[in-house]
Order: sequence, then C-alpha cells, then structure tokens
Amino acid sequence: SAVISQKPSRDICQRGTSLTIQCQVDSQVTMMFWYRQQPGQSLTLIATANQGSEATYESGFVIDKFPISRPNLTFSTLTVSNMSPEDSSIYLCSVKDSTDTQYFGPGTRLTVL
Amino acid sequence: AQSVTQLGSHVSVSEGALVLLRCNYSSSVPPYLFWYVQYPNQGLQLLLKYTSAATLVKGINGFEAEFKKSETSFHLTKPSAHMSDAAEYFCAVNSGGYNKLIFGAGTRLAVHP
Repeated sequence: SAVISQKPSRDICQRGTSLTIQCQVDSQVTMMFWYRQQPGQSLTLIATANQGSEATYESGFVIDKFPISRPNLTFSTLTVSNMSPEDSSIYLCSVKDSTDTQYFGPGTRLTVL
Repeated sequence: AQSVTQLGSHVSVSEGALVLLRCNYSSSVPPYLFWYVQYPNQGLQLLLKYTSAATLVKGINGFEAEFKKSETSFHLTKPSAHMSDAAEYFCAVNSGGYNKLIFGAGTRLAVHP
C-alpha cells in the first residue's frame, strides 16, 4: 500500500486565521480524499481532490472554507480558512488504490483557540 | 443510500477473551466492506476488507470478519484479546465504483488484565 505523510502533524491556531495541511504520497494515485474527524466522532468526507480540476465537495462543505489543491498525482493540500473553535478536529487525507481500498495518512490534529 | 451501524460504542473484554465488534450495513448494490483501527493519536490503519470474494476475511493482528448477506452484517472477531488491541475500530462501506467511504460511529475496545 502507498505510504502517506501529512504536515503538520498537529497545530494550535488562533480563530480567524487559516491553516494549510499538506498530504504527500510516495506513489502516483488517481484518487485522493480529505476527511474530517471531529472530537469523539467518526470520519466525514470533506471532498475528493481531483488532479487538474476543482475538488468535488460533499454536502455541508464549501470551497471558500476548505480550498483544496491537487497540483500532481502525489500531492494535495487542504486549507482550513477563517478558523473557529468548531474547526478543531483531526483532518486526514486518504488515497484509493485500484481495488477500491482507501489508505489513510496519520492525520493533522488541529486545535483552534 | 449506504449506511453503517456499529452496535456498542464501547466494548470491554478481558485479556485472552473473545473480541466481537458488530457492524451492520445498508447498501442498494453489492458492497465493499472495511474494518479500520485507530490507535490513540494515530491515523486509520486497514485491518481487513471484503470485496465480493471469500465471505470469511482474515486481516492483520489475528482479526477476521465474516460477510453475511442475509443478515447484512460484517462483524469483526478475534479469538483472544491482547492488551495492544485497545483502540477505536471503525466499520465502513463503499459500494463498488463509488468513491465515498461511509463510516460507522466507531467502537472503542478496552482490554483489561
């Protein structure tokens, strides 16, 4: 399976600021995704990061709040904009292989004060 | 529409005892089913997956799961619990060809001496 890394691993931010999270994969993958895991909750898909085109967002998530870039087949970024304490979560990227199996990165733990 | 129900948000077993974590799914098409484990302060690790091959699936760390179409279930078992199995376990469904992975609410497994 692909090896996935994320930066930063954790951060503490002030409300009103923005944070960009990076996801790097050690091999080229077609499908990359961004998930959010709120404290004590399960995972919710934010968006599918499409290479060469705009990301596809799930209901309840918008591009202005969570802009995503996917410049190539091994890298993606998720920005959490104009943060509030409600954005405190773990943000995880994942990739899907040819067997429809998703593998996850280690996550970025975000605390917004 | 797809959905996943995990019965029991918390399960506690003694070391050496049987582990049984329950997962029921709903899907209008033949599903792909997954179990992931999340250790404290880590990302998600794939335990095992069912993708329409053998109904009894063996995974890592001695875990296995059986797909039962008649019961729409995919329960996770391990014959003998180890202290290192203490973690959060998530069941997920993805109907083949569909990108979105739907997660259950998770079951926190505690193992006591």
